[in-house]
Amino acid sequence: QVQLQESGPGLVKPSETLSLTCTVSGGSITSYYWSWIRQTPGKGLEWIGYIYYTGSTSYNPSLKSRVTISVDTSKNQFSLKLSSVTAADTAVYYCARKWAMATPFFDYWGQGTLVTVSS
Amino acid sequence: QSALTQPASVSGSPGQSITISCTGTSGDIGGYDYVSWFQQHPGKAPKLMIYDVSSRPSGVPDRFSGSKSGNTASLTISGLQAEDEADYYCSSYTSSNTLFGTGTKVTVL
Repeated sequence: QVQLQESGPGLVKPSETLSLTCTVSGGSITSYYWSWIRQTPGKGLEWIGYIYYTGSTSYNPSLKSRVTISVDTSKNQFSLKLSSVTAADTAVYYCARKWAMATPFFDYWGQGTLVTVSS
Repeated sequence: QSALTQPASVSGSPGQSITISCTGTSGDIGGYDYVSWFQQHPGKAPKLMIYDVSSRPSGVPDRFSGSKSGNTASLTISGLQAEDEADYYCSSYTSSNTLFGTGTKVTVL
């Protein structure tokens, strides 16, 4: 059974960089597309981007200038960096497995981690 | 690109059928057969219920079905049960993005 677990700071200061890691267990990261999705009370679910194990990425155009997703296949992990954060970036951040490039077939999700942006 | 439009709430009695709509454009729902539906209980991660418009992952009851007509996708829950009370979100592929719906709260009366 594939499991995903997010980790990282729960509090980030405005203008700094949010960094999260997702550890994949019960299966190899060397297949599928690995995504970050966030959820805020005001805007609902928002796709941030994905990475394929080869390093190929795709990002939400509205966040593209601030987002970097990377993968470490040796650790079965992938990571999110979101720069220049503001209070609007306060959200629950989920990592998820995506079956293929096009379809929004997110079949396994982490439990989610709340990140608050505040000084 | 804006979020896909869903009704804020839908309710029904146990055993009844309900349908949740998800309206987009020709650039997302209307242009591709890549629509998914997710169920989310409070404090939990979303769970995939339907993918590629009408396919069900293993383990999802056949009470859940999906369809699409033009720029609108729909999720139907037949034989509504108490455990179906949750938030539901649609999602669609676009050429440059993955969009989610605004979310629908399903209440079992």
